[in-house]
Amino acid sequence: EAAVTQSPRNKVAVTGGKVTLSCNQTNNHNNMYWYRQDTGHGLRLIHYSYGAGSTEKGDIPDGYKASRPSQENFSLILELATPSQTSVYFCASGPSVSQNTLYFGAGTRLSVL
Amino acid sequence: SQLAEENPWALSVHEGESVTVNCSYKTSITALQWYRQKSGEGPAQLILIRSNEREKRNGRLRATLDTSSQSSSLSITATRCEDTAVYFCATFASSGSWQLIFGSGTQLTVMP
Repeated sequence: EAAVTQSPRNKVAVTGGKVTLSCNQTNNHNNMYWYRQDTGHGLRLIHYSYGAGSTEKGDIPDGYKASRPSQENFSLILELATPSQTSVYFCASGPSVSQNTLYFGAGTRLSVL
Repeated sequence: SQLAEENPWALSVHEGESVTVNCSYKTSITALQWYRQKSGEGPAQLILIRSNEREKRNGRLRATLDTSSQSSSLSITATRCEDTAVYFCATFASSGSWQLIFGSGTQLTVMP
């Protein structure tokens, strides 16, 4: 069973502060993804990565940075957090084969006050 | 970019009944995936159906794909309370893309 671990599971941040969400996968998957989930919007892709050192913009990258320092780790960084970034964030990993399955973590609930 | 959309937005059934969630998509696809998300968890894939397949089964789940009408359905037979979840269809942004795009989901509630 694929394993994706997110930390922290819950986070409260202040407006203007820096927030880092971490994701670790033990599946040796090349591809990793960050999504946010809000009521009525489903899952929206923020950033993704093809492998260590690569990051790509998804559909809603504004206000977010990503970092992939290794095959196992993929971070999402909010340099200046805003209340509109209050959401649940999911990390996922997947193999770099055509039409691959994504394996998701349990999510991080972020509140920006 | 809403490449796929499920309907209805919400469904309620009683245990033992069958239920169907529909999905319409906008792009040419090589495969479509169905995911389920239980409360407090991340999504988990149920079925991946490729464009050359018309039907795929996984236990009580049955997915169909009609590429001519760009639609798919997910049926669950003999529903159980533990089937209560949000069900998503998802497609890749294009045949060569690694971006998996989800619809907004259908909330299914199975009542005792």
